[in-house]
Amino acid sequence: LAKTTQPISMDSYEGQEVNITCSHNNIATNDYITWYQQFPSQGPRFIIQGYKTKVTNEVASLFIPADRKSSTLSLPRVSLSDTAVYYCLVGDKGGKLIFGQGTELSVKP
Amino acid sequence: GAVVSQHPSWVICKSGTSVKIECRSLDFQATTMFWYRQFPKQSLMLMATSNEGSKATYEQGVEKDKFLINHASLTLSTLTVTSAHPEDSSFYICSARDTAELLQETQYFGPGTRLLVL
Repeated sequence: LAKTTQPISMDSYEGQEVNITCSHNNIATNDYITWYQQFPSQGPRFIIQGYKTKVTNEVASLFIPADRKSSTLSLPRVSLSDTAVYYCLVGDKGGKLIFGQGTELSVKP
Repeated sequence: GAVVSQHPSWVICKSGTSVKIECRSLDFQATTMFWYRQFPKQSLMLMATSNEGSKATYEQGVEKDKFLINHASLTLSTLTVTSAHPEDSSFYICSARDTAELLQETQYFGPGTRLLVL
């Protein structure tokens, strides 16, 4: 299973763009990259998923370079409600997702 | 999006009793469900993979006789914590894979169940 590495924490201010980078050097050919958001005492919430290049949805963008050994989650114009823990995961053939430590994002006014 | 529910949302029990937690996929069928445990300020730890109609696959270090998993239908998996002790107090979260989305590796997570063993 591919291991992921993210910064433990990040600080930002309201209205700024936040980029969280995740490294996954051992990602397998069939693996997808998925990002989840988790608030305290809640289950993780799906944010975005991609395989290569760039993916964008209504809440975030995901940038994946050609070698797929890293990925960057981009949150445009964050608000206080975006304060949460963000997890980057890569999926193996069996469907298991192994959570790393995640990035605790703190958005300040 | 797909919805996964858990019941109960929280439970307090005495040491030595057993507690059953239900995980349901409400609007899709889930051949595979996963159970996680999360301690305060820590990440989610995968406990087991639950497959409909077959025995669950447990991660290393997870006692299968203590954490009984049953996946009797395509929409329901249960986790029973047998003879619970205070160290089993944790946040238990399930997730489910949509059978129709096998290629996308997307899992949908439940809201979690807070277990407190006194």
